[in-house]
Amino acid sequence: GESVGLHLPTLSVQEGDNSIINCAYSNSASDYFIWYKQESGKGPQFIIDIRSNMDKRQGQRVTVLLNKTVKHLSLQIAATQPGDSAVYFCAENSNYGQNFVFGPGTRLSVLP
Amino acid sequence: EAGVTQSPTHLIKTRGQQATLRCSPISGHTSVYWYQQALGLGLQFLLWYDEGEERNRGNFPPRFSGRQFPNYSSELNVNALELEDSALYLCASSKNRGLWKETQYFGPGTRLLVL
Repeated sequence: GESVGLHLPTLSVQEGDNSIINCAYSNSASDYFIWYKQESGKGPQFIIDIRSNMDKRQGQRVTVLLNKTVKHLSLQIAATQPGDSAVYFCAENSNYGQNFVFGPGTRLSVLP
Repeated sequence: EAGVTQSPTHLIKTRGQQATLRCSPISGHTSVYWYQQALGLGLQFLLWYDEGEERNRGNFPPRFSGRQFPNYSSELNVNALELEDSALYLCASSKNRGLWKETQYFGPGTRLLVL
């Protein structure tokens, strides 16, 4: 499997500001994407998903944008709160029911 | 609705031993997935079970194996443990609706430490 370095990219934002976390995916055939949030010592938690027939999807305080042309996915978090501090993973899937491929993750740190 | 559950939460073994990890999916979910998350690394796909059968496995040696029971719960076995097997092992479950991909929901994980 793929391996990534020990140092996660980190995004630091002020409490109340908007956060944008980016993800470049690798497979142009991927057609289903999920963002997960993982807090320390816990399993990944589903945040929001998007299928390739859409380019934007909104949830509660979160928005996912998909740009298939450049194979880019982003997660926008509005009015970032301390509880949003976690590692965020994007995951892509291109085959029926098979494994998702996870990105390396981005650590979001919310400053008071 | 109860989420995915895993047991034990922590497991300490020594090199050469065997480890057994357990997972109960969300009620109504028939697919179970296992992932390894080593410290500082991303999630690596291990195994996928659906309706009692292994559907796919990741790039891991055969000493990583498992099974799915008639109630859809699953077991991951790791034989001949090596130090580098120390990791958080995550189980996820999803519904199976044929060709339509379904969201995977994760359990809290089992942290395995091999000494």
